[in-house]
Formats: sequence, C-alpha cells, structure tokens
Amino acid sequence: QLQLQESGSGLVKPSQTLSLTCAVSGGSISSGGYSWSWIRQPPGKGLEWIGYIYHSGSTYYNPSLKSRVTISVDRSKNQFSLKLSSVTAADTAVYYCARVTAIQAFDIWGQGTMVTVSS
Amino acid sequence: SYVLTQPPSVSVAPGQTARITCGGNNIGSKSVHWYQQKPGQAPVVVVYDDSDRPSGIPERFSGSNSGNTATLTISRVEAGDEADYYCQVWDSSSLVVFGGGTKLTVL
Repeated sequence: QLQLQESGSGLVKPSQTLSLTCAVSGGSISSGGYSWSWIRQPPGKGLEWIGYIYHSGSTYYNPSLKSRVTISVDRSKNQFSLKLSSVTAADTAVYYCARVTAIQAFDIWGQGTMVTVSS
Repeated sequence: SYVLTQPPSVSVAPGQTARITCGGNNIGSKSVHWYQQKPGQAPVVVVYDDSDRPSGIPERFSGSNSGNTATLTISRVEAGDEADYYCQVWDSSSLVVFGGGTKLTVL
C-alpha cells in the first residue's frame, strides 16, 4: 500500500526558505502516470493548494505562490520536494504531500508536518 | 479566479441525512471531489469525479453535480461522520481550487 511521509524543518525564520521532502513508499513514484502535490493548511483554516509536479516533470503552481515555490522530484530516491522562499508568518501551516490522479483528485495523503515561521 | 462556496456549518441529528453544498460558476461542467477531514488528521477523499466512491468509503456517502451547485449527501448520519468537508475542482485558470470547508456537526 502506497504511503507518503513528509519531513523537514519544523521551524523556519522569516525571509528564509522552507524546505520539505515527501518520501514515497510501497510503490514507485514513476509508475502509474500519477502526479505529486503539496497542499497546506494554516491553523484553524482551510486547505490551500501549493502546486504539483506532473509525471512528465512539468510543474504547476498556485498563482498566488508561484513566485516563491519550487517543486522537484528525485526519482532515484523515490521522493519529491517543496521549497518556499521568503517565508513570513503567513506561511505557518501544516504542510501535506499528496498523490494526484488523472482527474486531479488527491487520493493519497501524507500525515502532514507542521511548519512554524518565527524568529 | 474560480471560487467555490460552501456553508461554514451544517448540523444534523444521527440517522438523518446531511447535505453539504459547493457552489461555483457552472460547476456542473467540472469534476468535483469531496474530502473528509477529522481533527488532527489528513483529509481523505470520500467522493471523486462528482459521484464515485473510493473503495472503503460507505455507500452512505454520495455526490451529485449540476448547474452551479455540487452536493455531498451523507445518509443515515453517524457520530463518526462529524468532520470538516471540503469540495475541490480543477479549473483552467486557477488550476486546483478548494472550497472553504463545511463543519458537519452531529447533534
């Protein structure tokens, strides 16, 4: 059974870059034609899509975050990553990685990791 | 940008039917997915592509989509259904869009 697990720094200083990795286990990140995504949820608020990387390697980002986001994949390590630059307190959230189906549904999610932006 | 509108809260007694709406301009032309999120947990897809159910999701969960409104219907509501529910679509301009979420309270 495919599982996703986020990892990375839980505390980031303002203006620095947030870096997270999502390890995929129980299957290959390259099989099935799936895409891979990051989604976040500020405390007490709703879900916000950050972006995804297609199975082809193309990337698509939330227009509101596009200038600060980079999503990449490392197929040799069976993982994909998120970098968010110039963070502020508004970027404090639980960050989830998820698998994306062909009809753009998020069918498998990681457990989420809390990232706090604070000096 | 494309906007999805959900009621902030819906309340229903056990055994009754809960209906959670998701409004959007011509949403009936899009594929709608619904997620259930319990406190402290990651979301789980309960309905995808308007009305399909993933394996393991009870038949009590169903979906419909027409015109400007998509609806998630939960029949014979149980205490364990209490959660936040989010609708989501893909839009050519906004790409992925989530609704603001609806808190389902089982009275």
